[in-house]
Amino acid sequence: NAGVMQNPRHLVRRRGQEARLRCSPMKGHSHVYWYRQLPEEGLKFMVYLQKENIIDESGMPKERFSAEFPKEGPSILRIQQVVRGDSAAYFCASSPDRERSSPLHFGNGTRLTVT
Amino acid sequence: QQPVQSPQAVILREGEDAVINCSSSKALYSVHWYRQKHGEAPVFLMILLKGGEQKGHDKISASFNEKKQQSSLYLTASQLSYSGTYFCGTCRAGGNKLTFGTGTQLKVEL
Repeated sequence: NAGVMQNPRHLVRRRGQEARLRCSPMKGHSHVYWYRQLPEEGLKFMVYLQKENIIDESGMPKERFSAEFPKEGPSILRIQQVVRGDSAAYFCASSPDRERSSPLHFGNGTRLTVT
Repeated sequence: QQPVQSPQAVILREGEDAVINCSSSKALYSVHWYRQKHGEAPVFLMILLKGGEQKGHDKISASFNEKKQQSSLYLTASQLSYSGTYFCGTCRAGGNKLTFGTGTQLKVEL
């Protein structure tokens, strides 16, 4: 049973380019969460999605960032016109239901470097 | 809103015990504990759903004091493999997202 799959593992972008991060949840999981982690810091919540719906995007910056979880295919976190401050590790996690009572299963993350 | 963990860092000799605390200013529904090793994904340790509940496996256990909005993680007879950063994650009553704490770096030495 495959775990949460994220790709790419490492991503380098120049300032102004777009970054697309993909996340395939565990089989049977329909809830996906994205977190950002700066070096030596904690995990900051960004967005919570269920299939085709954004449930909570209170942690997403208002501009340049968007997320989707289509009916078919992986969840995508998209960052437009990247800036150096976007450099971080982005983790996706999935659960079979709302995380209040279920553990989160994390992917190995995508490390974004903006040059 | 971010839960506060203490201590920030701790160094243990193999076999020693440690307690990591997690405090929230909001009423909690659940508390999760995760361990993250450098460069890796956080790994789930345990979840506590009820006030006063204590859970554990092997030599790692945790408690949840709902009234005080606090949780503690207990590591006994620490092993080298326990090294990493421990995060608590809290979910508020009526909430739908996990908010992670500031983290506690644990290093176990010979």
